[in-house]
Amino acid sequence: QKEVEQDPGPLSVPEGAIVSLNCTYSNSAFQYFMWYRQYSRKGPELLMYTYSSGNKEDGRFTAQVDKSSKYISLFIRDSQPSDSATYLCAMSAPGSARQLTFGSGTQLTVLP
Amino acid sequence: DTGVSQNPRHKITKRGQNVTFRCDPISEHNRLYWYRQTLGQGPEFLTYFQNEAQLEKSRLLSDRFSAERPKGSFSTLEIQRTEQGDSAMYLCATRGPQRGKLSTDTQYFGPGTRLTVL
Repeated sequence: QKEVEQDPGPLSVPEGAIVSLNCTYSNSAFQYFMWYRQYSRKGPELLMYTYSSGNKEDGRFTAQVDKSSKYISLFIRDSQPSDSATYLCAMSAPGSARQLTFGSGTQLTVLP
Repeated sequence: DTGVSQNPRHKITKRGQNVTFRCDPISEHNRLYWYRQTLGQGPEFLTYFQNEAQLEKSRLLSDRFSAERPKGSFSTLEIQRTEQGDSAMYLCATRGPQRGKLSTDTQYFGPGTRLTVL
């Protein structure tokens, strides 16, 4: 079983919809949680970062972390066709390296 | 553009050849990571440098792989005797002190080098 599981999708929604993306994890040492957006054949682009539990909002994006359930979410409000991409959750534990462990990604398509 | 650059962007090679990729980090970022991403999967950690010291290596990094970061600036990843299973996107990421909107806790990725082994 992978340390980080992510809903595989693909997910297709109409423009303006609210999108919910989710990941679960098994390693209780994870403290740093990130969401990256990746367009086809490009490098991952950091969207949101959250330390430990709680919510964080940035424009149309809200990240939630529930450490008790080992569950993280990303919500996208008023989705736009330009949001069409693969969304990757990533997390790391405290330490010198803090290498990221990623989910497998959810491919999102927002239809105009 | 995160400020992390990678070259080449795409490399096609024949099985058995050696290849080398380069990563130039965001200036002042002393931590540098290499990841590998195959189609339909998330990136997987390969190795980590703090300054010029290679401090962590994944079991994915077989003895055909070697990475260096001389003088703690740019880094190179070399694959010897390439195999078709090495075909993937090789990503470099860096992390460093707080600067503007760049957080010290997060990694910033370059555009990647896509390797195709025929």
